[in-house]
Amino acid sequence: SYELTQPPSVPVSPGQPANITCSGDKLGEKYVSWYQQKPGQSPVLVIYQDKKRPSGIPERFSGSNSGNTATLTLSGAQAMDEGDYYCQAWDSNTVVFGGGTKLTVL
Amino acid sequence: EVQLVESGGGLAQPGESLRLSCAVSGVTVSNKFMSWVRQAPGEGLNWVSTIYSGGTRLSADSVKGRFTISRDNSKNTLYLQMNFLRAEDTATYYCALGNSHGSSGYYDFWGQGTLVAVSS
Repeated sequence: SYELTQPPSVPVSPGQPANITCSGDKLGEKYVSWYQQKPGQSPVLVIYQDKKRPSGIPERFSGSNSGNTATLTLSGAQAMDEGDYYCQAWDSNTVVFGGGTKLTVL
Repeated sequence: EVQLVESGGGLAQPGESLRLSCAVSGVTVSNKFMSWVRQAPGEGLNWVSTIYSGGTRLSADSVKGRFTISRDNSKNTLYLQMNFLRAEDTATYYCALGNSHGSSGYYDFWGQGTLVAVSS
């Protein structure tokens, strides 16, 4: 079965950029979405189709996808960005989520 | 405003059944795909099942033969019939509204989740 691999945690200082990666075989040939989940809350879509931002999502969120790796980038992390982030893609008529990355703003 | 409201969760014993519902308001679901995604306590997101507007169903191997997804477009409601429940099915179950088609699909709206606990 297809797997998406994310780092368990990414620390970042306030105002600094942060990159969260998502790796999978030939992932660049698939569309990737990203979701943010804060404690006790439901997931929220922050990036879809690799790099598109839904309305209401700040411009500091951006995405890219090439080769075997998709990346969610926060241009300047804020305390409110803390939470878990999940990548998601489709493979062979199944939906696959990455294991999640905890973003900590120190 | 789009809202997804799940119901039907609770405590069940192994081997028992539960039926989850997800009522959608603020958008017509007839031309969208919908899914159930679950999250075990302290764990990540795991896809359970998807149903397309035309009725095509997809399910994770872990629930095939036990869980059945269905929809009633006239009621704007999604369902998940869960039979032969196991302890490992314990999780918060989210209803998610899909957008786009096929491999470009993504979830732009999620419910608040309903907790299913399976224990003897």
